[in-house]
Amino acid sequence: GAVVSQHPSRVICKSGTSVKIECRSLDFQATTMFWYRQFPKKSLMLMATSNEGSKATYEQGVEKDKFLINHASLTLSTLTVTSAHPEDSSFYICSANPGTDTQYFGPGTRLTVL
Amino acid sequence: GENVEQHPSTLSVQEGDSAVIKCTYSDSASNYFPWYKQELGKRPQLIIDIRSNVGEKKDQRIAVTLNKTAKHFSLHITETQPEDSAVYFCAASKTSNQFYFGTGTSLTVIP
Repeated sequence: GAVVSQHPSRVICKSGTSVKIECRSLDFQATTMFWYRQFPKKSLMLMATSNEGSKATYEQGVEKDKFLINHASLTLSTLTVTSAHPEDSSFYICSANPGTDTQYFGPGTRLTVL
Repeated sequence: GENVEQHPSTLSVQEGDSAVIKCTYSDSASNYFPWYKQELGKRPQLIIDIRSNVGEKKDQRIAVTLNKTAKHFSLHITETQPEDSAVYFCAASKTSNQFYFGTGTSLTVIP
């Protein structure tokens, strides 16, 4: 149980385009999901908390207009990187909590912006 | 907000030896402390966790200790094996809330 999927696993896009990443909880409902960014050999940086049916809560320094989050249902949250630039290239990981203390992570999405 | 520090950043041990990774946290309200193992290019996987009402927890070769007064907790891996090589992250949270991760420890077990 407690499986989280992410799609796509890898995406390459041109500078200026927008990219949408999906995070799904496959066998449980999640009113809250979390989005992290991870640079190579670095820690997981919490970007925002995605709340089903309401606005996401962004961490300090994260541009909400740049990283759009939509938590449309109890099993799906999406992160859209708008007008992507090379500095947005990173590994993006989501997590969800099935009602316990523990968070379960998706497999991550490797974004490369050319 | 919460600040989690983790040491060391890299650790090399001989196969069969023990490895210890230490973390400190700043928010005394944090009450849940998980440890994750992440292999290259893969998702973090929970390996053990501890809650603030417990001082120690063990699962086979892995153990975690918590000192609430000092606000630090540690991961202990005994009889290390090459497959234990990975990056390990500690985290602190208030139950079901945001996780704040340490900076990670890259563990290498030398055969």
